[in-house]
Amino acid sequence: QSVLTQPPSVSGAPGQRVTISCTGSGSNIGAGFDVHWYQQLPGTAPKLLIYANDNRPSGVPDRFSGSKSGTSASLAITGLQAEDEADYYCQSYDNSLSGYVFGTGTKVTVL
Amino acid sequence: QVQLRQSGPGLVKPSQTLSLTCAISGDSISSNSAAWNWIRQSPSRGLEWLGRTYYSSKWYNDYAVSVRGRITINPDTPKSQFSLQLSSVTPEDTAVYYCAGAAMEDFYGLGVWGQGTTVTVSS
Repeated sequence: QSVLTQPPSVSGAPGQRVTISCTGSGSNIGAGFDVHWYQQLPGTAPKLLIYANDNRPSGVPDRFSGSKSGTSASLAITGLQAEDEADYYCQSYDNSLSGYVFGTGTKVTVL
Repeated sequence: QVQLRQSGPGLVKPSQTLSLTCAISGDSISSNSAAWNWIRQSPSRGLEWLGRTYYSSKWYNDYAVSVRGRITINPDTPKSQFSLQLSSVTPEDTAVYYCAGAAMEDFYGLGVWGQGTTVTVSS
C-alpha cells in the first residue's frame, strides 16, 4: 500500500546521530511535493516533527532536521536521547494517486 | 490552540457504515487556510490517508483511491465539526481512525490530531 519506503528500524547509542531515509518516486517526492515527518510514541497519535522538508514546528528540538533531494528525503536526529525512541513516518503527496501517502515507518531504538 | 476531539462507535458490523465525528475547538472549520483530514492506522496497512475536506469559497473534498466510492467526509459548520462515513465495511477496515488538521502555515502538514478511535469490524 505505502509508496514511500523507509527502513524498518534504526538504532543508536545516546548522543549519536541517526538518519532515516524516505524513498519515493517521480510521482511524489521527485515531482517536487513537500515531505513531512511525524513522530509516534507508543499508544499516541502521530506528532508533526518536520514540515515542508526542513522546517520544525514550534517546540520541536533542533536535534531534529530534515532534507530532501531528488526522489528521497531524510530525517536526522543528532544527540540521540532515550525519549526519541519512537516510530517515525514520512508523508508526501502523490499525483498518480491524487492523494497523500505515508511512508512504511521506521522504529528508532536507543541502545 | 487547536484541539480535535473524536467520537463514535468502536464496533461496526460487516457491510454496515462506519461513522465518526471530529469536533474542532480553537479554529474555524471554515478557515480558508486549513484542511480537515481522516487517517487510519492498522498493522497490515500502516498509516493510510483517507480523505479531507476544506473550504475555499466553497467546500471541497478529496478522497483516497483505496476508499473512493465508499467514503464521505462532511463538514458541519454550525457545530464546527466534520464527519467520516465509510460504507460496506469489512474486517479489512478494522483500524485506529484519526482525524487531523492541516494548516497552510505548516504547508499542510498534519499539525493537530485527534485522540484516535479504535474501530473493529466484526459481527
